[in-house]
Amino acid sequence: GESVGLHLPTLSVQEGDNSIINCAYSNSASDYFIWYKQESGKGPQFIIDIRSNMDKRQGQRVTVLLNKTVKHLSLQIAATQPGDSAVYFCAETFQGAQKLVFGQGTRLTINP
Amino acid sequence: GAGVSQSPRYKVAKRGQDVALRCDPISGHVSLFWYQQALGQGPEFLTYFQNEAQLDKSGLPSDRFFAERPEGSVSTLKIQRTQQEDSAVYLCASSQEWSVVDEQYFGPGTRLTVT
Repeated sequence: GESVGLHLPTLSVQEGDNSIINCAYSNSASDYFIWYKQESGKGPQFIIDIRSNMDKRQGQRVTVLLNKTVKHLSLQIAATQPGDSAVYFCAETFQGAQKLVFGQGTRLTINP
Repeated sequence: GAGVSQSPRYKVAKRGQDVALRCDPISGHVSLFWYQQALGQGPEFLTYFQNEAQLDKSGLPSDRFFAERPEGSVSTLKIQRTQQEDSAVYLCASSQEWSVVDEQYFGPGTRLTVT
């Protein structure tokens, strides 16, 4: 399943399928990007980050892709599990800044 | 401690009351951030401390909001004369170093409801 940035805040996928969550960032000066996972009643939890000198970074079951030309970021989750159900936020910042700027988020739900 | 803690977890205030929200960062973390998260939205930056120095308060919505970190550890976010639009989850985060690119660890948040 795939979401389209901030205009489709909910993504439903079958357990075991791959999930793709998209994010369009706003600041062309941003050079550091992070994906966070937020479960109900909890604070955001770091998943994976990427710097602007890279276009792909892989973690455990997750991959982040960065396309600076179109200012687009995506998070791919392989073999989605029930524990992946959460809201996923992208965040951007740049060296010298003192703050993260978060996107609206996408809610990922897993169908058994 | 194991992580960032915040108290209270839930706060209900009548409009016009003052509230104080507490954040206990991870011990030794230099940087501390406050964010406001409205329902269904991403967190929005409020303010940033490096040790006891408040280096950025550009995100505070009005002069009714005040934050402090007097000894460079625990921080308090105070909201005076609360309004209904202040209802949100207030998140605190800390990071080990001064750079914003250092991983931020978030607390569970305080859910403030103004009635």
